[in-house]
Amino acid sequence: DGGITQSPKYLFRKEGQNVTLSCEQNLNHDAMYWYRQDPGQGLRLIYYSQIVNDFQKGDIAEGYSVSREKKESFPLTVTSAQKNPTAFYLCASRGQGKGGNQPQHFGDGTRLSIL
Amino acid sequence: GENVEQHPSTLSVQEGDSAVIKCTYSDSASNYFPWYKQELGKRPQLIIDIRSNVGEKKDQRIAVTLNKTAKHFSLHITETQPEDSAVYFCAGGSQGNLIFGKGTKLSVKP
Repeated sequence: DGGITQSPKYLFRKEGQNVTLSCEQNLNHDAMYWYRQDPGQGLRLIYYSQIVNDFQKGDIAEGYSVSREKKESFPLTVTSAQKNPTAFYLCASRGQGKGGNQPQHFGDGTRLSIL
Repeated sequence: GENVEQHPSTLSVQEGDSAVIKCTYSDSASNYFPWYKQELGKRPQLIIDIRSNVGEKKDQRIAVTLNKTAKHFSLHITETQPEDSAVYFCAGGSQGNLIFGKGTKLSVKP
């Protein structure tokens, strides 16, 4: 899915520091999502946005924040309030399409570690 | 809350054999069920999906079945090959949002 770009690929966070993960898509998709993946676990939803300037909390939003100022971009900030941020973060987007639900397509992910 | 259970967590088969992964869901409003394949350190990739108005769907060696009454759906891979080795995730949902299972690590032995 070359249309979804996440950066950086690897990121290190110091104690008390906020870090921002980038997600950009050129697929003209309305909906975008952020997931967290821990070893041996499925994907857990952090935040999602169905439309520009609107976003909703997912199952594990505490310690994270997002913005959706442009259709193409959905950055995720991992704040110092997130005490266990080490994980693989995946961004996804979904088009409207015809016939109801459409699949989510994923970026390559960002691996965040604590220094 | 809404939940998707996936079994087994690990599955080892001999090359050429079939593999079956099963999932159950709790939300009766779920109407869309995709399956993703994720190789180590890479993005999940959609391999097949099914909507609630269909009971079965096939794509070459891969098939998915859905039983709405029992709220379960399954992935079937026939004639497995070593390159099928990966983690497979099921998911279910509606209105575009998905709940993912915890994944099945499939190993295909040559």
